[in-house]
Amino acid sequence: AQTVTQSQPEMSVQEAETVTLSCTYDTSESDYYLFWYKQPPSRQMILVIRQEAYKQQNATENRFSVNFQKAAKSFSLKISDSQLGDAAMYFCAYRETSGSRLTFGEGTQLTVNP
Amino acid sequence: DVKVTQSSRYLVKRTGEKVFLECVQDMDHENMFWYRQDPGLGLRLIYFSYDVKMKEKGDIPEGYSVSREKKERFSLILESASTNQTSMYLCASSLARDPTNTEAFFGQGTRLTVV
Repeated sequence: AQTVTQSQPEMSVQEAETVTLSCTYDTSESDYYLFWYKQPPSRQMILVIRQEAYKQQNATENRFSVNFQKAAKSFSLKISDSQLGDAAMYFCAYRETSGSRLTFGEGTQLTVNP
Repeated sequence: DVKVTQSSRYLVKRTGEKVFLECVQDMDHENMFWYRQDPGLGLRLIYFSYDVKMKEKGDIPEGYSVSREKKERFSLILESASTNQTSMYLCASSLARDPTNTEAFFGQGTRLTVV
């Protein structure tokens, strides 16, 4: 079974600085999708960024980018120029190409200090 | 805008009660999911459904059942609520017929307390 691990329960960053959240996963599949979701205090889960495993290029969405290392099964999220609104719980998730279910990590609570 | 609506944000029930958590989506998605969210454990899949009247067990189905009589509605049922089912419950939906459309959309969660 696929597993997703986030080893940082909590992280903090100063406003305008950069922070990296870690995620590792285990799978025997060669093709799959990886995601980072954000859950602010409102509890609404929001998709931040996605990565297709067959693409070598790292995904980027404005201030958010990933470092996808397929051989190492690592998928970290970098947030540049952190803003107060980035404070949230961040979840890493995995999905097989042929399936529909998402497997989530434990989550990382990000605090942004003014 | 895709919308996934859960019937309650907060719910308090007594031990032994039968509890229904309702979820409705308005984007004609084939897939619907129920997750449970607990601190330090992330989101764990309880059940999912890929079509009307079709369901599959997730990772933690014990103590739960589901119903999907209409495409837009997916209900989670706690047959006899217990205190260890106190948790946050999240419903999600996604499109199945387009394999390139990978995003799942979530409701705002129901925080259930069983006393």
